[in-house]
Amino acid sequence: DAGVIQSPRHEVTEMGQEVTLRCKPISGHDYLFWYRQTMMRGLELLIYFNNNVPIDDSGMPEDRFSAKMPNASFSTLKIQPSEPRDSAVYFCASSFLVRVGELFFGEGSRLTVL
Amino acid sequence: RKEVEQDPGPFNVPEGATVAFNCTYSNSASQSFFWYRQDCRKEPKLLMSVYSSGNEDGRFTAQLNRASQYISLLIRDSKLSDSATYLCVADGPNSGYALNFGKGTSLLVTP
Repeated sequence: DAGVIQSPRHEVTEMGQEVTLRCKPISGHDYLFWYRQTMMRGLELLIYFNNNVPIDDSGMPEDRFSAKMPNASFSTLKIQPSEPRDSAVYFCASSFLVRVGELFFGEGSRLTVL
Repeated sequence: RKEVEQDPGPFNVPEGATVAFNCTYSNSASQSFFWYRQDCRKEPKLLMSVYSSGNEDGRFTAQLNRASQYISLLIRDSKLSDSATYLCVADGPNSGYALNFGKGTSLLVTP
C-alpha cells in the first residue's frame, strides 16, 4: 500500500513568494497532521484535521500560514508570503482514530526560503 | 519551554553496549507516550508505545514514571543499525490525537 505522499520533496523559493505543500494521506485514515521540523525547535505540530475538519490550528505560526483539507485524500499547507525563517522540513502524517499515537509520516517537503 | 524535553546527545556507544535515554514531559495530564525513531534525513517512524507497567519489544524496553513525569528507553546489545535519533512523544493537553515530540536524542553505534 502507498504511504503518505507529499510534494514537492524539495522547494527553493525567494522571500515573498507563495509556497504550497501538498499531502495525500493513507486511504482510510481519518486524522491528518502537519508538522514542521527545524534543528532549533524540533518537530512542531502546526495543525491537524479529523475527517477533513480542522481541529486544532494553535500551532500555526501566524496568518501567513493556512491549511485546507477539501477531501479525505488531499490536504495543502500554504505559506504566503514566505520568509527565510520558514525554512524547514514540513511533514504530513496520517493515522486511524483507534490507533492513537501511531502516526504514519510522509517523507517530508524540505523548504528553503532565500 | 517544550512540553517534552530530551538530552540531545549524541550518545556514542560500541556495538553490543546497553544504552538508556530518558525524557521528561511537563503536562501531568498526558496519557499516551511513545518512542519514535528518525534516521538521518528521513521521516519519523513509531518504534514503540510506552505503557504504565513498562513494556519490551525485543532488545528495546520502555518505561514510564508518572510520579516523576519521565519516560525511558533502554536498548540492549546495540547494533550498528540502531544509529538514529530517538524522539520521545507525549500526547497533548486537550486531545490524545495531538502529539508533542521531543527534539530527539542522537545515538551513534560504532563497530
